[in-house]
Amino acid sequence: NAGVTQTPKFQVLKTGQSMTLQCAQDMNHNSMYWYRQDPGMGLRLIYYSASEGTTDKGEVPNGYNVSRLNKREFSLRLESAAPSQTSVYFCASTDRGNTEAFFGQGTRLTVV
Amino acid sequence: GQQLNQSPQSMFIQEGEDVSMNCTSSSIFNTWLWYKQDPGEGPVLLIALYKAGELTSNGRLTAQFGITRKDSFLNISASIPSDVGIYFCAGQLPGSARQLTFGSGTQLTVLP
Repeated sequence: NAGVTQTPKFQVLKTGQSMTLQCAQDMNHNSMYWYRQDPGMGLRLIYYSASEGTTDKGEVPNGYNVSRLNKREFSLRLESAAPSQTSVYFCASTDRGNTEAFFGQGTRLTVV
Repeated sequence: GQQLNQSPQSMFIQEGEDVSMNCTSSSIFNTWLWYKQDPGEGPVLLIALYKAGELTSNGRLTAQFGITRKDSFLNISASIPSDVGIYFCAGQLPGSARQLTFGSGTQLTVLP
């Protein structure tokens, strides 16, 4: 059982480039989330999808877009990467009516 | 912005010692969760707390949901080298649709 799978694990982008971070979960969870983790700041919510077909902004959504492709997959897109988006990105999912989030292994993104 | 104050930021302890860390907030939370993050990995759920005053154990770990619903602590007894990592508290605010607010983490180092 893979749980939450993120790709890629590492990425280096030049300022202005675009890319999409992929996330898939095999636990049949309804809700999915994208967080970013910066040193000394814990995890901050970028966007979430409470259920298939819906997406909502979190605490730090600027510069990002998301797509809930189906129940399994939730992608995060950076249209024009900036150095301030250098971070570790985590995808997570929760089951219906449950707060306990399961996390992927993260994508380490560097924007130069 | 950050609504959870987690302390201490870091701890250096001898193997076999007990450890205590806590999170406080000016806001009331419905749920408290404690996660551990190993280097290069995503957070892994340790303990979930759902009721004010609840005390829950998971092996050598014990956590409590504060009676005021504004704080929680995590204790680790008889620490071992594999306890090394970053411990995060996370809370769900009322009406936040299962979104989690994270503390900034406690970096634990266990010395042999």
